[in-house]
Amino acid sequence: DAKTTQPPSMDCAEGRAANLPCNHSTISGNEYVYWYRQIHSQGPQYIIHGLKNNETNEMASLIITEDRKSSTLILPHATLRDTAVYYCIVRFPSFSSGSARQLTFGSGTQLTVLP
Amino acid sequence: DAGVTQSPTHLIKTRGQQVTLRCSPKSGHDTVSWYQQALGQGPQFIFQYYEEEERQRGNFPDRFSGHQFPNYSSELNVNALLLGDSALYLCASSLVLGTANTEAFFGQGTRLTVV
Repeated sequence: DAKTTQPPSMDCAEGRAANLPCNHSTISGNEYVYWYRQIHSQGPQYIIHGLKNNETNEMASLIITEDRKSSTLILPHATLRDTAVYYCIVRFPSFSSGSARQLTFGSGTQLTVLP
Repeated sequence: DAGVTQSPTHLIKTRGQQVTLRCSPKSGHDTVSWYQQALGQGPQFIFQYYEEEERQRGNFPDRFSGHQFPNYSSELNVNALLLGDSALYLCASSLVLGTANTEAFFGQGTRLTVV
């Protein structure tokens, strides 16, 4: 699976948009970008994933650059409850691919939403 | 709809003992993965079970073993516990659709302390 690079920490004011970047310059054509977050002492929570088109759900938006070498997770109106470690993960979705069966977590970005 | 449930939530064991952790996947999911998360680090993949077989394994010794039951629930067993096995153990479930794994949903984890 392609490796990802994220800033170790970011702050965001409550009510403002939080934009979390991720670099994945070695991503291959069939690999998806997944985002998870982990609130302190809880299990990781799935947020969103995408291949090459921008995606939006009730939690967030995912913007993937045209060359797919980087992406940005956007929390449109951050709240204090969004304070968490955010993980960007690149993986093949195919079950037949040996490396696709696991999620490889890096260090993530600690997002702190400030009141 | 119940999510992923793990038991127990906390556990204290002595070095050299054996421990069994349990996981019930999200309703409708057929695949279970186990992760170990040491303090301050991202989760590390241990292994994944599908159709009651271990399908992929991370870089963990044979002291770590598992099982999946016909109802898709799973157990993680760790023998000859070491102090370094102290960690949050996470279970994640997903569904195999054709050749693809859907996104994984995590339980809240079992906090294992080895003394």
